Amino acid sequence: DQQVKQNSPSLSVQEGRISILNCDYTNSMFDYFLWYKKYPAEGPTFLISISSIKDKNEDGRFTVFLNKSAKHLSLHIVPSQPGDSAVYFCAASAEYGGATNKLIFGTGTLLAVQP
Amino acid sequence: EAGVAQSPRYKIIEKRQSVAFWCNPISGHATLYWYQQILGQGPKLLIQFQNNGVVDDSQLPKDRFSAERLKGVDSTLKIQPAKLEDSAVYLCASSSNLLGPTEAFFGQGTRLTVV
Repeated sequence: DQQVKQNSPSLSVQEGRISILNCDYTNSMFDYFLWYKKYPAEGPTFLISISSIKDKNEDGRFTVFLNKSAKHLSLHIVPSQPGDSAVYFCAASAEYGGATNKLIFGTGTLLAVQP
Repeated sequence: EAGVAQSPRYKIIEKRQSVAFWCNPISGHATLYWYQQILGQGPKLLIQFQNNGVVDDSQLPKDRFSAERLKGVDSTLKIQPAKLEDSAVYLCASSSNLLGPTEAFFGQGTRLTVV
């Protein structure tokens, strides 16, 4: 049962344009959402997060939008840069079964930013 | 601040052999996670510790995998005996969670190849 889904395995955009990465979730108990970026041969690095009490969080070129009714979140990168090329993972957190901050990851989207 | 340390970086073993991975989380982080990432998939949570207690191990194949976190600091993950399907990157992460859900910080991972 895939509770966090990233339906686009890959995305290609031109440098300077907007990149939009999407994520859907099924578990209504998730209350905190995160985006991670991963380069080859490295561990995932935290990018940006959003609490379920908000619908938008912005950090520089990165903005995350949350639509709770649709159980959908998206990451916008503007403007996209070649260094943004990586795999992006969406993750969701919930407190249940005695576990605090149980992080569940999606399958990832490979972003390629073309110069 | 030192990051999450993992060793070894790479390991190649034959099926039915045993292997162990080590993780040193960020100092003061109470929560420690072990994830398995198979090529082309997102990280899958194997086990989550809160201090030295297990709070979730629902996806840990307990017939062959075991993990411990002595004194609530370092952790080891063991596989015995290994199968071909265990070939993956094993990621350790830690988080604070003192003020609620927060991001987890990942190590570089151990790439295991079972032949």
